[in-house]
Amino acid sequence: LAKTTQPISMDSYEGQEVNITCSHNNIATNDYITWYQQFPSQGPRFIIQGYKTKVTNEVASLFIPADRKSSTLSLPRVSLSDTAVYYCLVGEFTGGGNKLTFGTGTQLKVEL
Amino acid sequence: DAGVIQSPRHEVTEMGQEVTLRCKPISGHDYLFWYRQTMMRGLELLIYFNNNVPIDDSGMPEDRFSAKMPNASFSTLKIQPSEPRDSAVYFCASRSSGDKQFFGPGTRLTVL
Repeated sequence: LAKTTQPISMDSYEGQEVNITCSHNNIATNDYITWYQQFPSQGPRFIIQGYKTKVTNEVASLFIPADRKSSTLSLPRVSLSDTAVYYCLVGEFTGGGNKLTFGTGTQLKVEL
Repeated sequence: DAGVIQSPRHEVTEMGQEVTLRCKPISGHDYLFWYRQTMMRGLELLIYFNNNVPIDDSGMPEDRFSAKMPNASFSTLKIQPSEPRDSAVYFCASRSSGDKQFFGPGTRLTVL
């Protein structure tokens, strides 16, 4: 299983862009990179998923370099409501392999 | 769609008692996952099913834990006998092939 490493915590202010980087040195060819967000007392919620280069949706962007050994989740103009734990996961989604490992996550705190 | 449904939301029991957690996945999803979350260990995958068949139960901590999925719309996670160290939040998640996981609200288990 590909192990991920993320910063334990990050602080930011409202309106700023936040970039959270995840290292996954032993990512496999079939592995995708997925980010989840978790608020207190709730289950994790899918944010974004990618395989290579850049992916963007209405919530965030995901940057993946060519070697795919790391990825960066970018949250534009964060607000207080973005305060949460963010998890980076690496795993494959083919029929045979479906196991994802949640790391410790990054606790993002957004202040005024 | 109501999303993934878990019951009970909270369970308090005494050491040695049997505990049964229940999950109803999103209709049409053919993968179901059971996770456990604690402060010390984070979010751990316990077991997952594909088309009601257990695929990987390597995360199940010991024989006291068992999981079943008798049909596509119902799964249980049973702990017998329960111990204080089993206290955690247990999440169920489901997804369809190649798609993101949807998590339930979780069951907070306290074993006294």
